[in-house]
Amino acid sequence: QKEVEQNSGPLSVPEGAIASLNCTYSDRGSQSFFWYRQYSGKSPELIMFIYSNGDKEDGRFTAQLNKASQYVSLLIRDSQPSDSATYLCAVTRGARDDKIIFGKGTRLHILP
Amino acid sequence: NAGVTQTPKFQVLKTGQSMTLQCAQDMNHNSMYWYRQDPGMGLRLIYYSASEGTTDKGEVPNGYNVSRLNKREFSLRLESAAPSQTSVYFCASSEGNRGRGQFFGPGTRLTVL
Repeated sequence: QKEVEQNSGPLSVPEGAIASLNCTYSDRGSQSFFWYRQYSGKSPELIMFIYSNGDKEDGRFTAQLNKASQYVSLLIRDSQPSDSATYLCAVTRGARDDKIIFGKGTRLHILP
Repeated sequence: NAGVTQTPKFQVLKTGQSMTLQCAQDMNHNSMYWYRQDPGMGLRLIYYSASEGTTDKGEVPNGYNVSRLNKREFSLRLESAAPSQTSVYFCASSEGNRGRGQFFGPGTRLTVL
């Protein structure tokens, strides 16, 4: 089993709709969870982090964590063409962020 | 604050040549990392430095060496470049023990002919 799994996509979503990105992880000891956005030809940019079960909202972004199911998701409301990018899920081994495992990412395409 | 900076942005080498990729951060972070990213492979950790004075191997260290010059700077050296080292290289930094994530530099696109 891969440590962090994401559907590679592409995930196509109409402009204005909700984009839902999913991630599962294998290490039950993981304590911190991150979503990075990476535009083509650019570096990964940290957009959300979550530590506790439940939802965390920041603007149009909501991160959801379910530790029992080992599942993390990212919802993007009112999707814009500028949201088209690859989204990387990352989890820590334990609590330290010097041991982060990245998923391979999901390509998101927002259709104008 | 510039965050994490990397030089050079692009580099073309011939097989067997050597070079050093430079990375610096101004966020007073303890930990620094070197990754490579290849199509279909995702981000792979080459080396990391959990704190000044320490370095450890990551997932793909062969063919690379690193130096943590001080708290701000972390360099990656290719002693004898090979075509398999053609990749995009990212440096990142983090606080290290707070679980607040890693922050990436803009990357170096390296081609080895």
